[in-house]
Amino acid sequence: DAGVIQSPRHEVTEMGQEVTLRCKPISGHNSLFWYRQTMMRGLELLIYFNNNVPIDDSGMPEDRFSAKMPNASFSTLKIQPSEPRDSAVYFCASNPGIFYGYTFGSGTRLTVV
Amino acid sequence: KNEVEQSPQNLTAQEGEFITINCSYSVGISALHWLQQHPGGGIVSLFMLSSGKKKHGRLIATINIQEKHSSLHITASHPRDSAVYICAVNFGNEKLTFGTGTRLTIIP
Repeated sequence: DAGVIQSPRHEVTEMGQEVTLRCKPISGHNSLFWYRQTMMRGLELLIYFNNNVPIDDSGMPEDRFSAKMPNASFSTLKIQPSEPRDSAVYFCASNPGIFYGYTFGSGTRLTVV
Repeated sequence: KNEVEQSPQNLTAQEGEFITINCSYSVGISALHWLQQHPGGGIVSLFMLSSGKKKHGRLIATINIQEKHSSLHITASHPRDSAVYICAVNFGNEKLTFGTGTRLTIIP
């Protein structure tokens, strides 16, 4: 298995532009998580899905952020409009269910200028 | 409040030394995870624990449920072990709450 696949690896965009991050979880994993990592706040959960259904989005910072999981093999995290304070590394992770370990993607480093 | 604390924040040691990183948490948990992140790199899951002890190569993880405490040990440390080690906890659901990480540097 290729693991959790995220794209793009790096994204540089101008303030106000729409940004879409993509994630393909490991086949058969029922849960998918979006995390954000910054120097100031460390790792934070943004949202997670179970069987393609959003379970907890309490970590999504504001309405500019949205996430979808249209099927078991694909998820997107969208920021519209982007702001410089959104600059961070965004990780996607999946696992087969609770009480299992997590597999993380390589992350997307987002820079908003 | 559900909190996870790690110590030390930074640790520098000579190659070959025995390393211990500590993690404590505030309330009961369903599982505890140790993660490794190399500089500029992705995150790798090392262990998941709900009780007892696990070993993988030179890495050992233990957890004491009564004391709400876990330790990650590295025996015969090597420069390639230099990384940030992160403790993360499931407080009864699938959400992970993370510690602030321990930056480990092993000097040859």
